[in-house]
Amino acid sequence: TQLLEQSPQFLSIQEGENLTVYCNSSSVFSSLQWYRQEPGEGPVLLVTVVTGGEVKKLKRLTFQFGDARKDSSLHITAAQPGDTGLYLCAGESGTSYGKLTFGQGTILTVHP
Amino acid sequence: EAGVTQSPTHLIKTRGQQATLRCSPISGHTSVYWYQQALGLGLQFLLWYDEGEERNRGNFPPRFSGRQFPNYSSELNVNALELEDSALYLCASSLSPILEQYFGPGTRLTVT
Repeated sequence: TQLLEQSPQFLSIQEGENLTVYCNSSSVFSSLQWYRQEPGEGPVLLVTVVTGGEVKKLKRLTFQFGDARKDSSLHITAAQPGDTGLYLCAGESGTSYGKLTFGQGTILTVHP
Repeated sequence: EAGVTQSPTHLIKTRGQQATLRCSPISGHTSVYWYQQALGLGLQFLLWYDEGEERNRGNFPPRFSGRQFPNYSSELNVNALELEDSALYLCASSLSPILEQYFGPGTRLTVT
């Protein structure tokens, strides 16, 4: 069974601070996706990383895929209250086609 | 472009009854996925349909079933409802199985 361990589970910070969320596994993933979910809504896709060592930037968000494609990180610079939400990493392996394995999520709260 | 749509938004059923949830994918997407998001358990993969066929199934009992119609919309049926089936059921679609999955807003199922 493939597992994705996401940390921290909860993050409460002040506006303007930086933060990093980690997603780790002992398994290799062919791709890894990051989603953001707000209460009562479905997850919204932020980014997909597919190449080991890949770094993608989306405004103040930086996503990195580990060289061995077993881990990923999401770094937010100068967090804003609008960044508040549940952040989820999800990996797709080459062995269980079509299935995304999700981490447990990180609940981020950014206080003004 | 319209996103993934799901109906109903909320569904309240009694233990032992059957529930039917519906999903319409993004136009042009042929793959539809179902996930269960129960409190404290994260998102768990349920089913994947592509071109009208069930392609992959998660670790759920057979009372969870579904189908995909010729227009690529999908139904999820849950028979003999149990209290622990209470969850947010999310549908996602993708252009092909190896591409990103886009989620709908979900159906909140409550079993009393």
